Order: sequence, then structure tokens, then C-alpha cells
Amino acid sequence: QQQVKQSPQSLIVQKGGISIINCAYENTAFDYFPWYQQFPGKGPALLIAIRPDVSEKKEGRFTISFNKSAKQFSLHIMDSQPGDSATYFCAASFASNTGKLIFGQGTTLQVKP
Amino acid sequence: NAGVMQNPRHLVRRRGQEARLRCSPMKGHSHVYWYRQLPEEGLKFMVYLQKENIIDESGMPKERFSAEFPKEGPSILRIQQVVRGDSAAYFCASSLRAMNTEAFFGQGTRLTVV
Repeated sequence: QQQVKQSPQSLIVQKGGISIINCAYENTAFDYFPWYQQFPGKGPALLIAIRPDVSEKKEGRFTISFNKSAKQFSLHIMDSQPGDSATYFCAASFASNTGKLIFGQGTTLQVKP
Repeated sequence: NAGVMQNPRHLVRRRGQEARLRCSPMKGHSHVYWYRQLPEEGLKFMVYLQKENIIDESGMPKERFSAEFPKEGPSILRIQQVVRGDSAAYFCASSLRAMNTEAFFGQGTRLTVV
């Protein structure tokens, strides 16, 4: 019940295209859903996050879409650039509890020039 | 303002030795989380600590692993009698307040057990 399932495992997108990564969860007690970006040899860095009372959040080229009834959320990267090539992790947490994060398995994104 | 500092960045230990991983949180942060990342996998929560207290250790293996966050100094993740399966990247994250989920991650310690 504490799992977060992420897909696809890997993704190749042409420069300028839209990258879409999906996540699904089961526990309706989750109340905070962040996305992290990780480059090789680096720690994860918070990219964008959403709470379940909002259906969409946009920051620059990055958008989270949240479907509470389906218990799914997704990351859209518009106008994808080679510099976006990284591993992306979705996560969920009980922000009102300890704040520990439950991570998805990760998606390796490659943006081809 | 320095970010979360972890050291060493790389650590090689022989089977049976002890590994000590250190994490200095961001200035002013008193909440520390440890995560483990196995190759090709996501990060798994291990333990959540506040100064001098273990709050949630539900992700810690029952044996050989321990963590502390003393009043002074960095948080330490200690692995005794390491085995090959302990080889992983260990990440520390810190946050400013309890239940503040804007946690900032360090660059990790990559432990290799030979």
C-alpha cells in the first residue's frame, strides 16, 4: 500500500518534444507528491511538487498533472532539451507525518539533439 | 550557504569491515533522512532522525545498521560487518522543520564492498 509505481523505465525523446512520465499510488493518505531529477553521480534535486488539492502545477517547462480519483500523477516536460537528460523519480509522502518519501523506481530520460 | 555535505563520496570496504557514512545537514536544519539506492533502483527510505532522536527507523535492516544524529556534529550511518549486498549509494537529506517535506539531498556516498 505504500508503493509508488513509475513508468516508463526509460524514455527517448527528440529535442523539442514532450516527455511524459507517469506514476500511480495506492495509499490515499499520501498528501505530497514531488518529482526529483538526478544526474549521474549526483544526489536527487527537487524539481516540482504538488499537493492533492490541486489538479495541475506548472513551473517553466515542467508540469505536474494530478488525478486524485485515479490515484495517478504525471510529469510533463515541454520542449525537452538535451540538458534534461537525467533520471527522474516521482515520490509520495505523508507530509503531515514524518515526511519520509516513498520513491518510484525511476525513469531514465534521454533527449536526442 | 553550503548544501547537505556527505563524506566520504566513495568508500571501499572489505567484507566484514565497518563502514561509517557522515552527513552534515544544511545550516539550521535539524531533521535528517537517510536513503539507500541500489543500482538501477529508486531510493529506499531507511531512517529519519532529529537531533539526538531516532524518529522513524522503519526502513533500517534489523541487524548491522545503526544511525545517530548527535547534538553536535554530523549524522552518522554505521554499517557493521559489511557484506557485498550493502554496496549501494547512500543519500542523506535534511529539512528545516518537522513534517517539512522540502528535503534537500546530499551527493551521496557510494559504498563498494569487495
